[in-house]
Amino acid sequence: EAGVVQSPRYKIIEKKQPVAFWCNPISGHNTLYWYRQNLGQGPELLIRYENEEAVDDSQLPKDRFSAERLKGVDSTLKIQPAELGDSAVYLCASSSRGLDHEQYFGPGTRLTVT
Amino acid sequence: QKEVEQDPGPLSVPEGAIVSLNCTYSNSAFQYFMWYRQYSRKGPELLMYTYSSGNKEDGRFTAQVDKSSKYISLFIRDSQPSDSATYLCAMMIYNTDKLIFGTGTRLQVFP
Repeated sequence: EAGVVQSPRYKIIEKKQPVAFWCNPISGHNTLYWYRQNLGQGPELLIRYENEEAVDDSQLPKDRFSAERLKGVDSTLKIQPAELGDSAVYLCASSSRGLDHEQYFGPGTRLTVT
Repeated sequence: QKEVEQDPGPLSVPEGAIVSLNCTYSNSAFQYFMWYRQYSRKGPELLMYTYSSGNKEDGRFTAQVDKSSKYISLFIRDSQPSDSATYLCAMMIYNTDKLIFGTGTRLQVFP
């Protein structure tokens, strides 16, 4: 079974530029999560989807971050414009049902904003 | 004060040692307790989860939860160089599906 796929794996951009990350969850998983992991810290949830619906986006900085999950499968997380403090690893995870404690993580996208 | 506290290490031990990793938490509503392992440049992978107080064993790994003290532990017996990674504790309030992670403890097992 293929795991969670993320691309790109690495991205370097200048501040004020836009950037987008893509995630393909495990087949059949209806719940998708985006996390941000700062250096030396644990992941922090940005947004959670149940199918196409964002059911928890309370931690998503909505002035510059946006996300979508069209058709309830793939998801895209966007930052526009990026700031220096956005440098982090952005992790996508999926699980098979809304309250399943087992979340499967992708390898992440390492973003560097210069 | 963070909801979940974890010593960041690093922790360096010789091969074959018993490793003890710990987390404390402040929110008594946490009911699910997990340990994730994260290798460098990889995403976290679930090692163990527990629901109630007590011990749970899986091979060389034992997870321990003490809800009265708000303290959880992961023990690794006969540690191997391949165990070298960052270990993250994570907790969840029942019915929320929201994981709260510790900062992670970096472990190095040297031959």
